[in-house]
Amino acid sequence: DSGVTQTPKHLITATGQRVTLRCSPRSGDLSVYWYQQSLDQGLQFLIQYYNGEERAKGNILERFSAQQFPDLHSELNLSSLELGDSALYFCASSVDGGSGNEQFFGPGTRLTVL
Amino acid sequence: GESVGLHLPTLSVQEGDNSIINCAYSNSASDYFIWYKQESGKGPQFIIDIRSNMDKRQGQRVTVLLNKTVKHLSLQIAATQPGDSAVYFCAETPRYNFNKFYFGSGTKLNVKP
Repeated sequence: DSGVTQTPKHLITATGQRVTLRCSPRSGDLSVYWYQQSLDQGLQFLIQYYNGEERAKGNILERFSAQQFPDLHSELNLSSLELGDSALYFCASSVDGGSGNEQFFGPGTRLTVL
Repeated sequence: GESVGLHLPTLSVQEGDNSIINCAYSNSASDYFIWYKQESGKGPQFIIDIRSNMDKRQGQRVTVLLNKTVKHLSLQIAATQPGDSAVYFCAETPRYNFNKFYFGSGTKLNVKP
């Protein structure tokens, strides 16, 4: 158990819909990362937050957005969902988000768009 | 964008043998490299890391080798065990943006008893 929690574990929805994925980092970690893992694909970095502020942005679509709240939990919002958005979405946390700080991954949320 | 890839998608080894998983990267500015292990149904788990100012780093039963000349990274697992069966990812981050991590597509390691 990494100490990072993600909810829900599974999510099934329809195209065009909007969903919110939630992540609670490890106690004491200030930085949260979001990744997408499609079938047979590696992890694609989406976005990083540090202490409530966006720190780095990767290949995140405009239909997707995220935020980190004062209690440090984070939410990833996916809107106008398409079939291709079906994937595993992982959240990771680290102490302060700098290079060399180990990222601890949550168990992931499996999103299925029908 | 960045390019981090793996030479082999699947590697099968006999229990007790040593495993070597390879990874190539394209960005000469890559500064920090990590190997992750992902078991079925779980999130990735940190194994070992190495900075670009090092050539080799050892952990418990694992060694990472970095060849910056050919932009190649390898993970060596000694005395491979059934519990090592998983998908292994390499990841790198460039020194100009150390918050962005780029992952390879993964190598599946099968350990035969």
